[in-house]
Amino acid sequence: AQSVTQLDSHVSVSEGTPVLLRCNYSSSYSPSLFWYVQHPNKGLQLLLKYTSAATLVKGINGFEAEFKKSETSFHLTKPSAHMSDAAEYFCVVSNAGGSSYGKLTFGQGTILTVHP
Amino acid sequence: DVKVTQSSRYLVKRTGEKVFLECVQDMDHENMFWYRQDPGLGLRLIYFSYDVKMKEKGDIPEGYSVSREKKERFSLILESASTNQTSMYLCASRDPGRGAFFGQGTRLTVV
Repeated sequence: AQSVTQLDSHVSVSEGTPVLLRCNYSSSYSPSLFWYVQHPNKGLQLLLKYTSAATLVKGINGFEAEFKKSETSFHLTKPSAHMSDAAEYFCVVSNAGGSSYGKLTFGQGTILTVHP
Repeated sequence: DVKVTQSSRYLVKRTGEKVFLECVQDMDHENMFWYRQDPGLGLRLIYFSYDVKMKEKGDIPEGYSVSREKKERFSLILESASTNQTSMYLCASRDPGRGAFFGQGTRLTVV
């Protein structure tokens, strides 16, 4: 079985300040982990992915995430928020084996608001 | 670029109607998925398919069925639409180990 929990439903930051979106996962097998972003009235876009290579993953638009197996976490960060980062973000886990192989499980989403 | 195309952006159907949502991908991906997206609930998996004629239930399959007769096409069927199936429906395709590519979504309203 696999599951993912996004610890904050809403995060609000000021432009130019750091962003931290938290994600914890559970997985019976070596997981692949992803972050997706969805801007208002837009489709889902892949930000970054972890698939058992380097634990610090860099994505698009200055975002990065660190896989921490001991903490079962995959938090998303960005050093300096931009107004265009305002969107909803989803953490996603996928197992590498077992009956749920290939299945993507989404977190509930975190809405990021960026203030001027 | 990978393209995942859903046949309709908006649909309005009556309670009890049979509804077909079509999804086509052009990258020869093995895996295809149907999700529904509701505020505060994220994306929930309805059904997924590993290959042609292969399907597995996701987390919320009740009231839905699927069809995958060709590799590029994955159809979601609402046998008898109900108002609680009003939602945004998203189709995705991927190869295992890679991120998924999503369609633009179909906003279905059942009245």
